[in-house]
Amino acid sequence: DAKTTQPTSMDCAEGRAANLPCNHSTISGNEYVYWYRQIHSQGPQYIIHGLKNNETNEMASLIITEDRKSSTLILPHATLRDTAVYYCIVRTGAGSYQLTFGKGTKLSVIP
Amino acid sequence: GAGVSQTPSNKVTEKGKYVELRCDPISGHTALYWYRQSLGQGPEFLIYFQGTGAADDSGLPNDRFFAVRPEGSVSTLKIQRTERGDSAVYLCASSPRRDSPEQFFGPGTRLTVL
Repeated sequence: DAKTTQPTSMDCAEGRAANLPCNHSTISGNEYVYWYRQIHSQGPQYIIHGLKNNETNEMASLIITEDRKSSTLILPHATLRDTAVYYCIVRTGAGSYQLTFGKGTKLSVIP
Repeated sequence: GAGVSQTPSNKVTEKGKYVELRCDPISGHTALYWYRQSLGQGPEFLIYFQGTGAADDSGLPNDRFFAVRPEGSVSTLKIQRTERGDSAVYLCASSPRRDSPEQFFGPGTRLTVL
């Protein structure tokens, strides 16, 4: 699976949009971009995934650049409960199973 | 419904001892994964089960680590002759099938080897 690069940490004011970037310049055509997050002392939680089109669900939006070399996870209205480590993961689609986590981005939502 | 559960939540043992960590996946999930997370790091893959069989154990660090899933549901991770370097949070996850987009993680077992 391709390697990802994320900033170590970010701050966001409560109620504002949190935009978390991820670089995956070596991504292959059949690799998906996944986002998970891990709140302190809990297991990771799936957020969203996409191949090349932008995706939105009840938790977040995923914007993938046209060349697919980078993506941005958007939390539209961050709350204190969104404080967590966010992991960007590139994973082969069909037939894949394991997740390869990096160190992620520590997002702190500030009151 | 119930999520993935792991027991115990915390385990403290002495160097050289044997430990077993248990994972109860979501009912009906055929795929089960074990990961290990050291302080300040992301989770690291250990082993993957599809049904009762270990389909990929390439992440197990050495032969002191072993895992079973005899009936295709509950899984046990077994560590022999524990070392201080084995101290970590051991996470279990399950998914409906191998290529499901979402893996559901348990809260983990924090293992401390003194």
